[in-house]
Amino acid sequence: GAVVSQHPSWVICKSGTSVKIECRSLDFQATTMFWYRQFPKQSLMLMATSNEGSKATYEQGVEKDKFLINHASLTLSTLTVTSAHPEDSSFYICSARDHGFTGGANTEAFFGQGTRLTVV
Amino acid sequence: RKEVEQDPGPFNVPEGATVAFNCTYSNSASQSFFWYRQDCRKEPKLLMSVYSSGNEDGRFTAQLNRASQYISLLIRDSKLSDSATYLCVVRGNTDKLIFGTGTRLQVFP
Repeated sequence: GAVVSQHPSWVICKSGTSVKIECRSLDFQATTMFWYRQFPKQSLMLMATSNEGSKATYEQGVEKDKFLINHASLTLSTLTVTSAHPEDSSFYICSARDHGFTGGANTEAFFGQGTRLTVV
Repeated sequence: RKEVEQDPGPFNVPEGATVAFNCTYSNSASQSFFWYRQDCRKEPKLLMSVYSSGNEDGRFTAQLNRASQYISLLIRDSKLSDSATYLCVVRGNTDKLIFGTGTRLQVFP
C-alpha cells in the first residue's frame, strides 16, 4: 500500500532555532498533503493543507509565518517551525491521499510516522 | 461544539469482552467516515471505513446513521492487542480529515 515517510522521527532543539520536518510520499504522487499537530491526550488538529506548486492553506489560528510550508514537488512537503519555543513542543504528523487510486471518497489517508519535537 | 465528538474513556474491559464506541459529528455535509487506531506515540492507522449500510471486518463492526449523525464501532472478543486509542474521523467535501479526540481502550487479562 501507499506509504508516507516523515523525517526526523524526533528532534530536540534550542528555543529560538528553526526545525524542518520532511514528509514524502514514497510510491504515489500527492498534490495535497496535510500537516497535523497533536498535544498530549488531545486529538490531531489540522494545521495546514500543503498544495504542490502553490501556497499552503492554513487553518484559523495557525501562524503562517511561524510554520512555513513548502510543497515543491509531487512527493515532498516540508514544514519548518521557525523560532521555536517550548510551547511548540508537540507531535507533528503529515498525511497524504493517493489521488491516483480510484477508491473514491473513502480512499484511505496515509500518515507519516510523526515527528516528536521538543524545544528546550 | 466540536465537529467530531467522542467519549474519551478510558474503557477498561477484560479479554473476550464486547465493547462499543460512539461518535457524533456536526457537519451534515460530511461525506466519508472512518475509524482509525492510534497506539501511544505512533501515527494513526486506518482500522476501517464506515459505510451507510454498516460493515464488518472480523471482530470489528462499524455503523453509520446519517440522520442522527452518529457513528459506532463494536469490537467483539477483545484481545490485549486491541488496547489503543480509537479515533473517529470524518471527511467533508474537501480532503480534510477532522479527528475526534479519540476513545482510549485498555483490555486487561
